[in-house]
Amino acid sequence: DIVMTQSPVTLSVSPGESATLSCRASQNVGTNVAWYQQKPGQGPRLLIYGASTRATGIPARFSGSGSATEFTLTISSLQSEDFAVYYCQQYDNRPPPRFGQGTKVESK
Amino acid sequence: EVQVLESGGDLVQPGGSLRLTCAGSGFIFNTYTMSWVRQAPGKGLEWISGISGSGESTYYADSVKGRFTISRDNSKNMLYLQMNSLRPEDTATYYCAFRPVRGALWGGYFNYWGQGTLITVSS
Repeated sequence: DIVMTQSPVTLSVSPGESATLSCRASQNVGTNVAWYQQKPGQGPRLLIYGASTRATGIPARFSGSGSATEFTLTISSLQSEDFAVYYCQQYDNRPPPRFGQGTKVESK
Repeated sequence: EVQVLESGGDLVQPGGSLRLTCAGSGFIFNTYTMSWVRQAPGKGLEWISGISGSGESTYYADSVKGRFTISRDNSKNMLYLQMNSLRPEDTATYYCAFRPVRGALWGGYFNYWGQGTLITVSS
């Protein structure tokens, strides 16, 4: 089974700074990685798919990169509304999809 | 506006049963594969089941296979999850989610999510 490992568990960042979140796959998943943002009491929100394509309506300060086993979500110039938990997810042409355990981005 | 709205969450005893419902609106419901994803309190996301647009193909995670059954009624734009033999580790918020991609039995990732419904399994 593919395992997605995110780091760090918690990231403390000041507003206006950038944040870099990592996700590692236990085997080559190509660019089949999505990233989500989740705020308390809400369902996840799709940010990135295909490792680097922003979903509809997602601000340009969110960017994704990577391939094979190493993936990165970068949030440039963090806004107050960006403090949340972020999940990566591997997908293929059949289930199951696998999620990472999440990275919490908190205000320093 | 595309919306999915889950309902049916409750407190249930171990070994009990429960049926969750997800109502879809704002899109052609019978076109897309739908999934259930759960999240235990304070934990991460776990995909547990999916069903193709026609309902002919169903998918399950090993953790729920044989205990949970996914189904849909396209005439009512409704998705269901019948949960039997519930265990304390099934305690979670259950989300309905999908990717609006046509002609695919499996979407891969999820553009749309509901707000979730909470299931608590405890005596």
